[in-house]
Amino acid sequence: GQSLEQPSEVTAVEGAIVQINCTYQTSGFYGLSWYQQHDGGAPTFLSYNGLDGLEETGRFSSFLSRSDSYGYLLLQELQMKDSASYFCASDSGGYQKVTFGTGTKLQVIP
Amino acid sequence: EADIYQTPRYLVIGTGKKITLECSQTMGHDKMYWYQQDPGMELHLIHYSYGVNSTEKGDLSSESTVSRIRTEHFPLTLESARPSHTSQYLCASSRGAGAEAFFGQGTRLTVV
Repeated sequence: GQSLEQPSEVTAVEGAIVQINCTYQTSGFYGLSWYQQHDGGAPTFLSYNGLDGLEETGRFSSFLSRSDSYGYLLLQELQMKDSASYFCASDSGGYQKVTFGTGTKLQVIP
Repeated sequence: EADIYQTPRYLVIGTGKKITLECSQTMGHDKMYWYQQDPGMELHLIHYSYGVNSTEKGDLSSESTVSRIRTEHFPLTLESARPSHTSQYLCASSRGAGAEAFFGQGTRLTVV
């Protein structure tokens, strides 16, 4: 089966940098995505890594290492509105279904 | 703005009732998904479809069924609801591998 593991909770200070890790075990792996979900809301897409290396989108960056089955999401210049749950997700398998990780709840404190 | 819609947003029903959760998208996406999510927990894939008349069960065993007769429509049916089905159900669609998945606002189901 597929499994993507993340730390359950992370706390960081406003203005700081935080890294959320994701380790995965999937068959037929294509790439790794990241989603943000605020309480009561639906997940929204942040980034995708189909190749090894770093992808940067504004304050958010995402990294993938296929050889280590590992990726991370880096959030810079943290803002209070970044408090949310963050999920990594892999598209894998013959039909490239999207499977989500265990999720990390980020709390940004003043 | 994502063009994917779920109805109803909230539903409270009695045990043993049959229900259908609706999901429609106007983006022409081939891939559609149903996820089950309890508050503060991870999303579990329960069904997915890669095109019309093509559906597969996901990683989490579910007593629900789905159909995909039209590209834009992917309803989920529970033949006999039980309290253990109480959860949030999220529908999503995407173009394919590496593409952004767009989510509906979800249906919060309570079975009493």
